[in-house]
Amino acid sequence: DQQVKQNSPSLSVQEGRISILNCDYTNSMFDYFLWYKKYPAEGPTFLISISSIKDKNEDGRFTVFLNKSAKHLSLHIVPSQPGDSAVYFCAAGGSNYKLTFGKGTLLTVNP
Amino acid sequence: NAGVTQTPKFRILKIGQSMTLQCTQDMNHNYMYWYRQDPGMGLKLIYYSVGAGITDKGEVPNGYNVSRSTTEDFPLRLELAAPSQTSVYFCASSRQGGDTDTQYFGPGTRLTVL
Repeated sequence: DQQVKQNSPSLSVQEGRISILNCDYTNSMFDYFLWYKKYPAEGPTFLISISSIKDKNEDGRFTVFLNKSAKHLSLHIVPSQPGDSAVYFCAAGGSNYKLTFGKGTLLTVNP
Repeated sequence: NAGVTQTPKFRILKIGQSMTLQCTQDMNHNYMYWYRQDPGMGLKLIYYSVGAGITDKGEVPNGYNVSRSTTEDFPLRLELAAPSQTSVYFCASSRQGGDTDTQYFGPGTRLTVL
């Protein structure tokens, strides 16, 4: 039973345009959400997070939106750059310190 | 600043062999984690530790053991390797749990069991 779903295995965008990566979750006990970025042959690196008490968090070119009623979050990257090409993982956490990860979305930003 | 280091980077094992994957962090983090990532899948938690001497099972603990004798080290032991344990293993650490729980990951160990 997948509690965190990233339904798009891949996404391709042009440099300078917006990238929108989506994530859905089923467990209403999750109270914080994170996005990680992963390059090949490296470990995931933390990108941005959001607490369930907020609906938006912004950090430079990266913004995460949370819609609790829909159990949906999205990561917006504006403007997209070729260096953003990577696999992006959505993760959710609750009170037990454990993170549940989605399968990831491969973002390709074309010059 | 080394962060989280893992050794080895790659390893091939025969069925039934055993090995220990090493993980060390130099950030004085209390929490440490072991994940595995199978092709096309997300990371799945194997074991975690909230401090020296304390460990607990994650989502997929069968076939693995851990110990946490120091804050810095969190080795993962495979006793009888099976092909189903072919995966990439990531160690991670965090200062604390909860909504400030930014986990920092090591570069991973790619394990193949033949």
